[in-house]
Amino acid sequence: KAGVTQTPRYLIKTRGQQVTLSCSPISGHRSVSWYQQTPGQGLQFLFEYFSETQRNKGNFPGRFSGRQFSNSRSEMNVSTLELGDSALYLCASSFSFRGGSTDTQYFGPGTRLTVL
Amino acid sequence: GESVGLHLPTLSVQEGDNSIINCAYSNSASDYFIWYKQESGKGPQFIIDIRSNMDKRQGQRVTVLLNKTVKHLSLQIAATQPGDSAVYFCADSPSGAGSYQLTFGKGTKLSVIP
Repeated sequence: KAGVTQTPRYLIKTRGQQVTLSCSPISGHRSVSWYQQTPGQGLQFLFEYFSETQRNKGNFPGRFSGRQFSNSRSEMNVSTLELGDSALYLCASSFSFRGGSTDTQYFGPGTRLTVL
Repeated sequence: GESVGLHLPTLSVQEGDNSIINCAYSNSASDYFIWYKQESGKGPQFIIDIRSNMDKRQGQRVTVLLNKTVKHLSLQIAATQPGDSAVYFCADSPSGAGSYQLTFGKGTKLSVIP
């Protein structure tokens, strides 16, 4: 079974631009979460989607948004990019949201965003 | 919620020895805990998880111990191999959140000496 895929893997943008990152979950998984990883702050939860609905959101400004499609694929968007948005953006999928005893989150390889 | 912390930022072990990576969590509402391994340039890789109704869980060469009394989690790796060199993260998830919403520790870098 294929793992979580994220595109693009690397991205360079300039301040003020916006960016859209894509995530395809493991086949059959319906929940997708996004995390930001930086050397200073570590891994931080951005938001989680299940059945096209945002279930939870982390402590990030409104410039960070996301959505999930009917096929469970998800995108996240960052508008008006700032230098501090440079990070590895990770997507994780699970079958459900804190579902059965055998469910857990699996991560993709991430998208490395550099803001100049 | 509060962040999960780690006792040691780096750990060096001889190949073949056992490794123990520790983690302290502060959210008493957390009831689900995961260990991830992250190699350079890759996303976190699931190692093992444990729910709060258990104290110990074993996998292949790995064991996770949970002490809810002192809010402590540990990962034991048996017969550590060079391929185990990576950064290890613990993460917790609060009950009732309706989602995983993982809170991660800052990570412990494990270096295996051949």
